[in-house]
Amino acid sequence: TQLLEQSPQFLSIQEGENLTVYCNSSSVFSSLQWYRQEPGEGPVLLVTVVTGGEVKKLKRLTFQFGDARKDSSLHITAAQPGDTGLYLCAGLPLGSGNTGKLIFGQGTTLQVKP
Amino acid sequence: GAGVSQSPSNKVTEKGKDVELRCDPISGHTALYWYRQRLGQGLEFLIYFQGNSAPDKSGLPSDRFSAERTGESVSTLTIQRTQQEDSAVYLCASSARLAREQYFGPGTRLTVT
Repeated sequence: TQLLEQSPQFLSIQEGENLTVYCNSSSVFSSLQWYRQEPGEGPVLLVTVVTGGEVKKLKRLTFQFGDARKDSSLHITAAQPGDTGLYLCAGLPLGSGNTGKLIFGQGTTLQVKP
Repeated sequence: GAGVSQSPSNKVTEKGKDVELRCDPISGHTALYWYRQRLGQGLEFLIYFQGNSAPDKSGLPSDRFSAERTGESVSTLTIQRTQQEDSAVYLCASSARLAREQYFGPGTRLTVT
């Protein structure tokens, strides 16, 4: 069974602090995505990483794909209350072709207090 | 343009009743996915449709669950003889052929009493 372990599951921080969310697996993924979900809404794609060692930046968010393509991290600099939400990592297992059958982590609930 | 829509947004049903959930994907998207999300958790894959190919039903938790799709448009997820453990948010997503990115609808919150 291919699993994505996401940590921490819950994070409550003050505005302005930095944080990192981790997504780990023993399986190799051809690509990995990060989503953000707000209450009552579906997940919204933030980024897709496909190359081992790849780093992508989206304003204050930095995403990294591990060299072996088994893990990823999301780092937020100077968190804002608007960053509050559920962050989900999702991987496309190697060999799954173009089926798009993503494996999701359990999610990290982030609360940023003003 | 219009995104993925789902209906109803909320459904409360009694244990043992059947329910039908609907998904309207983004026009032109050939792939359609159903997921289940329990409170504060990640998404659990249920079923996948790609064009006219046979659907991948490997994620359906029991034979009480079934789904259909009309061509490359609307899909319905049916849960027969609902149980309390079926209570969850059911999310639908669509994507363009060969694309990695999935676009999600707002979900249907199902509560089985």
